[in-house]
Amino acid sequence: NAGVTQTPKFRILKIGQSMTLQCAQDMNHNYMYWYRQDPGMGLKLIYYSVGAGITDKGEVPNGYNVSRSTTEDFPLRLELAAPSQTSVYFCASNAVFTGELFFGEGSRLTVL
Amino acid sequence: ELKVEQNPLFLSMQEGKNYTIYCNYSTTSDRLYWYRQDPGKSLESLFVLLSNGAVKQEGRLMASLDTKARLSTLHITAAVHDLSATYFCAVDDVGGTSYGKLTFGQGTILTVHP
Repeated sequence: NAGVTQTPKFRILKIGQSMTLQCAQDMNHNYMYWYRQDPGMGLKLIYYSVGAGITDKGEVPNGYNVSRSTTEDFPLRLELAAPSQTSVYFCASNAVFTGELFFGEGSRLTVL
Repeated sequence: ELKVEQNPLFLSMQEGKNYTIYCNYSTTSDRLYWYRQDPGKSLESLFVLLSNGAVKQEGRLMASLDTKARLSTLHITAAVHDLSATYFCAVDDVGGTSYGKLTFGQGTILTVHP
């Protein structure tokens, strides 16, 4: 019972590089989310998806892109990485009408 | 803009003592969640409060929701060391149909010592 799986767990990028954070869930949840957590802070919503083919911006979407081609997968792409994107990224999912989120283990990204 | 504020942000407790963490929010949402995060780990759901007056209890933790006051509390009874963690409250998007678009508080770092 894997739940929400994120890869990689750690990554160091140089300024201007690009990368994709992978997220997969095996709970057949329609809703998926990407949050970022800066040190000592709560989480902020980057993007979310209510189903395959449907995505929308959250509070802090600039510098990121997402896609949702299947129910299971929700990758987050960082284009032209900047130091301000140094953070821990959490992917989450939930079944409709509960709101209770199930989080992945997180991906710690450092941009130097 | 929805704002969620927790207090205190830091809480140092002795084992066996009681204390309450407060979560105030700025909208009329009636959906509030509490999560626990251990250092370097992910977030774990503790409580889901979906209506005014909702009260949930699990072990030494009890959460309640007063939507009229826009306030939720997380009460800790007879604290033990294992409760040391960061606790977040989060409120759902007002008027949204997408459950799970949460606005988080800053978190309360709880340390329980002998």
